[in-house]
Amino acid sequence: ETGVTQTPRHLVMGMTNKKSLKCEQHLGHNAMYWYKQSAKKPLELMFVYNFKEQTENNSVPSRFSPECPNSSHLFLHLHTLQPEDSALYLCASTSGTRDTGELFFGEGSRLTVL
Amino acid sequence: AQSVTQLGSHVSVSEGALVLLRCNYSSSVPPYLFWYVQYPNQGLQLLLKYTSAATLVKGINGFEAEFKKSETSFHLTKPSAHMSDAAEYFCAVSGYNQGGKLIFGQGTELSVKP
Repeated sequence: ETGVTQTPRHLVMGMTNKKSLKCEQHLGHNAMYWYKQSAKKPLELMFVYNFKEQTENNSVPSRFSPECPNSSHLFLHLHTLQPEDSALYLCASTSGTRDTGELFFGEGSRLTVL
Repeated sequence: AQSVTQLGSHVSVSEGALVLLRCNYSSSVPPYLFWYVQYPNQGLQLLLKYTSAATLVKGINGFEAEFKKSETSFHLTKPSAHMSDAAEYFCAVSGYNQGGKLIFGQGTELSVKP
């Protein structure tokens, strides 16, 4: 496989469920990102990881919990979400957090919270 | 602080016509500027980027953009639209050593009529 892979592509969950989104990159990159894409709003940066360490949390509510076990994998654990959290969650990677290289995006996980 | 404004949430052109998508930015530091494209049900893909080299930047699929510091603009153009260009286009800004921490505009949906 190549590029950035996200699973699942679609997820429907109730407000009391616990679920996780998974991202895997096969590019040898060291930095990984979660972005949120809501309808009619710009993409919002949520979290940044560099060499497995979280370097940025953009004031994201604690019901979103990221995990980065190694430079190739990134998870977003979801718990007690609200309907307004319904969005497309995009994972991306770059070679590092101090370069100006392009973001490589996955295809996204579309989340619907009922 | 940095911000991006994309003028026009929806642009419609005829096949073979000029494509012009407008982007203005605000940045307190020398900006790095990007255009990304998103096809339906896919993640974002880099079209082109400006990182303080040539002000006229050529990208993939025949697109190009010109950095105009005096106008704080980075408009995207293509001389002749193709049906396959129909997608959503995002302008984004970052600064030196910001890696993948981009500030995105709200996007412009491009429609191409036969």
